[in-house]
Amino acid sequence: SYDLTQPLSVSVALGQTARITCGGDNIGSKNVHWYHQKPGQAPVLVIYRDTKRPSGIPERFSGSNSGNTATLTISRAQAGDEAEYFCQVWDSGHVFGTGTKVTVL
Amino acid sequence: EVQLVESGGGLVQPGESLRLSCAASGFSVSSYYMSWVRQAPGKGLEWVSLIYSGGSAYYADSVKGRFTISRDNSKNKVYLHMKSLRAEDTAVYYCAKDIGYGDYVDYWGQGTLVSVSS
Repeated sequence: SYDLTQPLSVSVALGQTARITCGGDNIGSKNVHWYHQKPGQAPVLVIYRDTKRPSGIPERFSGSNSGNTATLTISRAQAGDEAEYFCQVWDSGHVFGTGTKVTVL
Repeated sequence: EVQLVESGGGLVQPGESLRLSCAASGFSVSSYYMSWVRQAPGKGLEWVSLIYSGGSAYYADSVKGRFTISRDNSKNKVYLHMKSLRAEDTAVYYCAKDIGYGDYVDYWGQGTLVSVSS
């Protein structure tokens, strides 16, 4: 089975930049998608196919993917960005990362 | 507007069965890949099952042989039939619409809680 590893938590000061990594074997050869999830709510897509933003997602959210690591970057972090973030790839089914809790200080 | 509304969750004992339903609106389930994804309390997301637009179904190893995904195009609904439930099946179950094969989920339902406990 294919495993995706994320840091348990990331803290970022208000207005600064947060980077959330997603590690997987040769993940750069796959399309990586990112979701955020706030407590009690369903996940919401924030980045798809490595770098693309769905409509309604601020430009502050961006993604990259190369080698064994994909990265979600949140620029000018806001209090409303606090959430759990999950990466996802396809490998004979949806495979989700372990999740990263983002705290905005 | 796309909407997915799950129902059918509840408290069951180990070994019992349950059927979850997902009512879709704003699109036809027959034209898209539909998934079930679950989330155990305080845990991450786990893909459970997928039904292709052509009707083929795929399952995570953890539920293979116990869960069955199906679809009723006339009612625009997707179902998850779960049998021989175990404590480790306790989770919020989300119905999800896939954008396409091998891709991402573009819409999620709000989820329905399944609790398996004696």
